[in-house]
Amino acid sequence: AQSVAQPEDQVNVAEGNPLTVKCTYSVSGNPYLFWYVQYPNRGLQFLLKYITGDNLVKGSYGFEAEFNKSQTSFHLKKPSALVSDSALYFCAVRLYSGNTPLVFGKGTRLSVIA
Amino acid sequence: NAGVTQTPKFRILKIGQSMTLQCTQDMNHNYMYWYRQDPGMGLKLIYYSVGAGITDKGEVPNGYNVSRSTTEDFPLRLELAAPSQTSVYFCASRGTRTNEKLFFGSGTQLSVL
Repeated sequence: AQSVAQPEDQVNVAEGNPLTVKCTYSVSGNPYLFWYVQYPNRGLQFLLKYITGDNLVKGSYGFEAEFNKSQTSFHLKKPSALVSDSALYFCAVRLYSGNTPLVFGKGTRLSVIA
Repeated sequence: NAGVTQTPKFRILKIGQSMTLQCTQDMNHNYMYWYRQDPGMGLKLIYYSVGAGITDKGEVPNGYNVSRSTTEDFPLRLELAAPSQTSVYFCASRGTRTNEKLFFGSGTQLSVL
């Protein structure tokens, strides 16, 4: 079985400061890892993914995430937060092979304060 | 290019009523999914399909049915609506050439009273 944990319901950060949204995963095999963002009253939007290759993945809007196999983590980061980054962020995982669907975490609400 | 389109956007049902949530995509994607989103619970997979004529249960399929007669359409049927089905429903799709990226519709907010 595959699962994702996002240990923080809410993350607050001041504008201009670095931000981190945490994610750990559990999967019996090599993982595909994703981050999605949801703005109010909208569907989820793809931010970035890790499938293979470099452990540091760069995505949309200046976000990046680091795959750490030993810690089974895939934390989302941004060097300098913007107020417009305030949204709900979801980590997701699925097995590297096969047609298994994505499993999502419960989400972390990011609030960036001006 | 419309992407993934869901209708309706909002609906209120009485207990025991039935309805169909429509989902259509114009990207020729093979894979389609239905998720429900409850506050603080993330997204739970209801049903999914890997191609026309093929459907499979997800994590929370009870009380729902789906069909996939065409590549474009993946309707979700609620029979005998219950208050526990009050949620926001999202349809999503991906193709074999989208490199794993899911495309989501804008959602259907359903209340069962």
